[in-house]
Amino acid sequence: GENVEQHPSTLSVQEGDSAVIKCTYSDSASNYFPWYKQELGKRPQLIIDIRSNVGEKKDQRIAVTLNKTAKHFSLHITETQPEDSAVYFCAASILTDDMRFGAGTRLTVKP
Amino acid sequence: NAGVTQTPKFRVLKTGQSMTLLCAQDMNHEYMYWYRQDPGMGLRLIHYSVGEGTTAKGEVPDGYNVSRLKKQNFLLGLESAAPSQTSVYFCASSYGSLRGGGYNEQFFGPGTRLTVL
Repeated sequence: GENVEQHPSTLSVQEGDSAVIKCTYSDSASNYFPWYKQELGKRPQLIIDIRSNVGEKKDQRIAVTLNKTAKHFSLHITETQPEDSAVYFCAASILTDDMRFGAGTRLTVKP
Repeated sequence: NAGVTQTPKFRVLKTGQSMTLLCAQDMNHEYMYWYRQDPGMGLRLIHYSVGEGTTAKGEVPDGYNVSRLKKQNFLLGLESAAPSQTSVYFCASSYGSLRGGGYNEQFFGPGTRLTVL
């Protein structure tokens, strides 16, 4: 089955800097790659997603890039703010509804 | 709309006891999912359903059973709880399939924190 690896496990940046989180996946048939943000004690919430027929997608300060050849995708957050502090999860799914998640990255944005 | 709700929010069980977690959604979603989240790990899919009356196994189905008798409800059962099932359980729902090209964001419930002693 699909295996998703996520790096780094923790990331600390200064407010205003950029943050990048990377994920790799194992199954070349994967075609849907969402990113979730989870604040402490809260439920995961989708922040951006990308499909395998697109190389990049942006939504204000957040962007996701996908390299199908290398089987990796990344989350980019620009101009980070303290409220961006949370755990971020990547995920990948193939042609079923069985989605596999990365282990998460704890992002801390220092004021 | 309440979105996705879960009952109960917290529960403590003794080894061998049974219980049922209830997930309800009022968004008329076809697809529903049960995940568990353990410290230092992402969410792992237990079971999911692609419509009323259907269920399918996910990544970690052992020790759990599910039922989807009504479209809006998805029940997760533990027949004989074990300490390894201590976790936070999240239910989610989506309008369509992850296979489709349409909009199919998964909406999560608030979670159930389960402790098995």
